[in-house]
Amino acid sequence: AQTVTQSQPEMSVQEAETVTLSCTYDTSESDYYLFWYKQPPSRQMILVIRQEAYKQQNATENRFSVNFQKAAKSFSLKISDSQLGDAAMYFCASTNNAGKSTFGDGTTLTVKP
Amino acid sequence: GAGVSQSPSNKVTEKGKDVELRCDPISGHTALYWYRQSLGQGLEFLIYFQGNSAPDKSGLPSDRFSAERTGGSVSTLTIQRTQQEDSAVYLCASSQNRGRANEQFFGPGTRLTVL
Repeated sequence: AQTVTQSQPEMSVQEAETVTLSCTYDTSESDYYLFWYKQPPSRQMILVIRQEAYKQQNATENRFSVNFQKAAKSFSLKISDSQLGDAAMYFCASTNNAGKSTFGDGTTLTVKP
Repeated sequence: GAGVSQSPSNKVTEKGKDVELRCDPISGHTALYWYRQSLGQGLEFLIYFQGNSAPDKSGLPSDRFSAERTGGSVSTLTIQRTQQEDSAVYLCASSQNRGRANEQFFGPGTRLTVL
């Protein structure tokens, strides 16, 4: 079984500043992937970044990076140099070997100009 | 290229009626997923398909919900005798296969309102 918890329903950040979104998870799987997805208002969900649990190196995609702490089962997302277009709902997800994904409840990010 | 499409985009129905929601995945994607998203909430897993078979139906909320996939492509989610609590956005996603590493590509969703 997998559970994913996002403890911050809402976050805000000033444009050009850095923000970190939290995610903790629990799984009985020995190998799994973790994802962050972004859902802009009235737009489709898209992938932001993914991390394989076996890799110790934190994934990075341009201004987006993760802090993966496997022992603590923590997978936070850091957004650097925040832009207005980053405003969205962000979902953390865990996917097991069978391809089944469990999503958190999401964090709504507001970017202030 | 074409992404995942869903139809209708909005559906308003009366309590007790049956509804069918359609999903067209990305061509060549063998895995297909259905989720339900209530207003401002996370995604609730409903069912997924690998090809035409559904190895995991554990997320279907009740026997009023069913889904099928034909030809390894289009999928239909059917809700019988709809209830007001069925009101939500129903999202479909597809991926190249069902492996854990694969990104899911989401459709725009069908917003279902049950009066």
